[in-house]
Amino acid sequence: SQKIEQNSEALNIQEGKTATLTCNYTNYSPAYLQWYRQDPGRGPVFLLLIRENEKEKRKERLKVTFDTTLKQSLFHITASQPADSATYLCALAPNNAGNMLTFGGGTRLMVKP
Amino acid sequence: DVKVTQSSRYLVKRTGEKVFLECVQDMDHENMFWYRQDPGLGLRLIYFSYDVKMKEKGDIPEGYSVSREKKERFSLILESASTNQTSMYLCASNSGGTGSEKLFFGSGTQLSVL
Repeated sequence: SQKIEQNSEALNIQEGKTATLTCNYTNYSPAYLQWYRQDPGRGPVFLLLIRENEKEKRKERLKVTFDTTLKQSLFHITASQPADSATYLCALAPNNAGNMLTFGGGTRLMVKP
Repeated sequence: DVKVTQSSRYLVKRTGEKVFLECVQDMDHENMFWYRQDPGLGLRLIYFSYDVKMKEKGDIPEGYSVSREKKERFSLILESASTNQTSMYLCASNSGGTGSEKLFFGSGTQLSVL
């Protein structure tokens, strides 16, 4: 069956360090992968999109990699700040599913001052 | 600023009641979606609509129906609410585009069915 897995345990890191979150998938051939941020009691907010033919994408302190051989995406936040504390969700769309994004369970990031 | 507005932030209903969750977007988006979010299960797609009066089932459509009479409005209907439908419901929209368009989400409706 198709699966998207994110580490369900919270990731605790010290301010200033780089946070790395993982998204693994099985039985998908995604055309692209997206990352979202979700704060408590709010809807997810889009951060980055990376396509199957792209290895890496950057936006300010954020970096996403996409390895279709390993079936994995890594999401990095450099120089992390307490304001980065949130749940981060990955989502992907299979090649034949157009707009029907499937989400992982999310990883909660806690950045301590 | 783009906006997806869900009519209720919190809702408490009784088992067997008919429940309407309303969502409005102001971005002239073709696509609208309803997800539910449960701890440990992430977001699961219930239904989506790619045009007025058009709909497609998502992963968990059982017990739900939808209505899209106008482009900006997408309603989720629980015909007879049950306790296992207690959840956070999230509406989202995006433009039709190439199929890789980012989703814009509402703030969610926390529904409790007693």
